[in-house]
Amino acid sequence: AQSVTQLDSHVSVSEGTPVLLRCNYSSSYSPSLFWYVQHPNKGLQLLLKYTSAATLVKGINGFEAEFKKSETSFHLTKPSAHMSDAAEYFCVVSDAAYKYIFGTGTRLKVLA
Amino acid sequence: DSGVTQTPKHLITATGQRVTLRCSPRSGDLSVYWYQQSLDQGLQFLIQYYNGEERAKGNILERFSAQQFPDLHSELNLSSLELGDSALYFCASREEDFNTGELFFGEGSRLTVL
Repeated sequence: AQSVTQLDSHVSVSEGTPVLLRCNYSSSYSPSLFWYVQHPNKGLQLLLKYTSAATLVKGINGFEAEFKKSETSFHLTKPSAHMSDAAEYFCVVSDAAYKYIFGTGTRLKVLA
Repeated sequence: DSGVTQTPKHLITATGQRVTLRCSPRSGDLSVYWYQQSLDQGLQFLIQYYNGEERAKGNILERFSAQQFPDLHSELNLSSLELGDSALYFCASREEDFNTGELFFGEGSRLTVL
């Protein structure tokens, strides 16, 4: 069975400092992995996706994530946080049957 | 704009009532997924349709039902509403690319049950 764990429910960073949002997954298959962002009262928007190509995946707005099979991790990073990055972030794992498992979310707060 | 359209955006109703939420997927997408998002339970998968047929069921209550029509739009019917049904309901459609399978989300329908 698949599962995904977002290790932090809340993360606070100062503007201009790096962002790290952690995600661990469990999957019996070669999974597809996604990060979505949700701004208040908005739908979820795809940041980036891993689908067994390059292990370092670049997404929108300067975010990237690295797929580490040995650590079963897919952590999301950004070198320098911006105020507009404040939102909730979801890590998602999908299997070959297109069943999507969402993490419980990490709320990112960016301090001025 | 994701290309997924949900109506209505906001809905306020009373306990015991019935409502219908509508979703139009992106052009060319055959799959529709419904999710419920509430403060205490997070994002919960309800049900999935593919080309008019139910494919997977999640934590969907018996008071809730859904269907996907021949034009591929989908409706989620919520009946005998309770206060706890107040939530944001999202619809998503899946990209028909077997290498990625990205989900595209609508803006959601916010349901308030008083």
